[in-house]
Amino acid sequence: SQQGEEDPQALSIQEGENATMNCSYKTSINNLQWYRQNSGRGLVHLILIRSNEREKHSGRLRVTLDTSKKSSSLLITASRAADTASYFCATDVGGAQKLVFGQGTRLTINP
Amino acid sequence: EAGVAQSPRYKIIEKRQSVAFWCNPISGHATLYWYQQILGQGPKLLIQFQNNGVVDDSQLPKDRFSAERLKGVDSTLKIQPAKLEDSAVYLCASSPRDSYNEQFFGPGTRLTVL
Repeated sequence: SQQGEEDPQALSIQEGENATMNCSYKTSINNLQWYRQNSGRGLVHLILIRSNEREKHSGRLRVTLDTSKKSSSLLITASRAADTASYFCATDVGGAQKLVFGQGTRLTINP
Repeated sequence: EAGVAQSPRYKIIEKRQSVAFWCNPISGHATLYWYQQILGQGPKLLIQFQNNGVVDDSQLPKDRFSAERLKGVDSTLKIQPAKLEDSAVYLCASSPRDSYNEQFFGPGTRLTVL
């Protein structure tokens, strides 16, 4: 069953703009992660936020987590063409040592 | 450090045929995962190994899918017989022991079943 749901499913913006993607989940988690997948490639781990954290930064990435709303957001600032990819949130489920991925947001950065 | 290796990268087969995928994880990584990613969806875990033992195979269609990880290093995933709905990208990932959080993914094998 699907744990994470990303929103929007697709997003197209101009280079230099900020991109925001959201993820909602259903059950309690220990942490939430974001991964990036370039076309035809494997996934790359971007950032992990623990359930007791509210915000985390990594370079141009900012992740927030609201456990009361069971939601997270990923903000990419000053987007670049190379950011064009699909972005997935992943959560552990009830403490199980495995990840469940959402459907992903397909981000397109237009030059 | 070499990444997760997978082969082949692409495979096209007829339905009811058999196919096998190979994965070589990052050296020293105890945990190995096989995921199925259908077009437009996120990866779905098929099976998880810790060394050469199965930790979770609850979503593996065991009537047609099998996987093994002999000697706790390389792994193979087999489908026999294949169905049209098995068309997907099969991703292998690995992580260090007790660190399922950060998984390192291979490039995947794109399977097309005709």
